[in-house]
Amino acid sequence: GENVEQHPSTLSVQEGDSAVIKCTYSDSASNYFPWYKQELGKRPQLIIDIRSNVGEKKDQRIAVTLNKTAKHFSLHITETQPEDSAVYFCAATRSGNTPLVFGKGTRLSVIA
Amino acid sequence: DAEITQSPRHKITETGRQVTLACHQTWNHNNMFWYRQDLGHGLRLIHYSYGVHDTNKGEVSDGYSVSRSNTEDLPLTLESAASSQTSVYFCASSESTGGRKTFGSGTRLTVV
Repeated sequence: GENVEQHPSTLSVQEGDSAVIKCTYSDSASNYFPWYKQELGKRPQLIIDIRSNVGEKKDQRIAVTLNKTAKHFSLHITETQPEDSAVYFCAATRSGNTPLVFGKGTRLSVIA
Repeated sequence: DAEITQSPRHKITETGRQVTLACHQTWNHNNMFWYRQDLGHGLRLIHYSYGVHDTNKGEVSDGYSVSRSNTEDLPLTLESAASSQTSVYFCASSESTGGRKTFGSGTRLTVV
């Protein structure tokens, strides 16, 4: 089955700097890759997702890149703000009958 | 507005007791999932369902069961609660298999 590795487990950045979180996956048939943000005590919320037919997707300060050959994808947050502090999870799945498999999460701290 | 709700938000139970956590969604989604979240493990899949009367085991299904008698509800039952089942439990739903998931607000379960 699918296995998703996520790095780093913790990340501290200065406000205004960029943050990058990386994930690798094992199943070459996976073709849907979402990212979730979870604030302390809250539910995970989808912030961006990408499908295998594109290599990059942007939404304001957030972008995701996908390299299917290397089986890795990354989340990029630019101009970080204190409200970006949270735990971020990547996930992967085929679009068929298999549920999402999550990475173990990255705790991002943005220092003002 | 459509939503997904979990109850109770917090529960303390004793070892050996049967416990049922409720999940109700008004999105009319066919697909529903139960995850548990533990520090250092991220979100791990317990059980999932793709429709009425359909149930499937996930990565950590031992000691848990689900039933799907209608579209809206997927209750999670701990047959005989163990301390290792102390965790935060999240229910999620989606329109299509592997598609965008919406999470409930979670149930924090403590087994003493």
